[in-house]
Amino acid sequence: DAGITQSPRHKVTETGTPVTLRCHQTENHRYMYWYRQDPGHGLRLIHYSYGVKDTDKGEVSDGYSVSRSKTEDFLLTLESATSSQTSVYFCAISEKEKLFFGSGTQLSVL
Amino acid sequence: GIQVEQSPPDLILQEGANSTLRCNFSDSVNNLQWFHQNPWGQLINLFYIPSGTKQNGRLSATTVATERYSLLYISSSQTTDSGVYFCAVEFVGSNYKLTFGKGTLLTVNP
Repeated sequence: DAGITQSPRHKVTETGTPVTLRCHQTENHRYMYWYRQDPGHGLRLIHYSYGVKDTDKGEVSDGYSVSRSKTEDFLLTLESATSSQTSVYFCAISEKEKLFFGSGTQLSVL
Repeated sequence: GIQVEQSPPDLILQEGANSTLRCNFSDSVNNLQWFHQNPWGQLINLFYIPSGTKQNGRLSATTVATERYSLLYISSSQTTDSGVYFCAVEFVGSNYKLTFGKGTLLTVNP
């Protein structure tokens, strides 16, 4: 599983509250990614990181921010959650050109 | 615009049948991968195949980069092959960002 742990696995929150999802990896991979998966859209890239404190936007970055202060941790923050951010969130790492995913976080914003 | 299109969107097979899934992409690529998402939501990397042909057991994949398509072959299908198959592409100039197709939902009946 490429040593990827996502937390929490499930979360229910209310509109307007801040939410932080964590991705932790144990194998010192340089590239880390956050995707969201929604019916009819497949997986869409939110943000990615190519090193400590080096991040860039993906195709659906509005309403999300990220931070990577250590190689092993990549945090995704919803500053003020909205119902449109209800989704399954996947973290991924890149190893030898291949992408490997964590188990996902099911987020519901009520 | 830049696109990744998968076909068919849905496929139902009897156990033991063979199938071919297709991925068309709109521009030159550095990287192409195939993934399987099982019914429990786990995403598994099947192939890294920007060009050429690879085989792994009952699965094989072929990418013809000059004609901008990739094929995933599943032979002697089993019920455990059920799930969604995604193609993901890194277009030239996209800086390690993969764009996913919307997937093919495969159901293998016993």
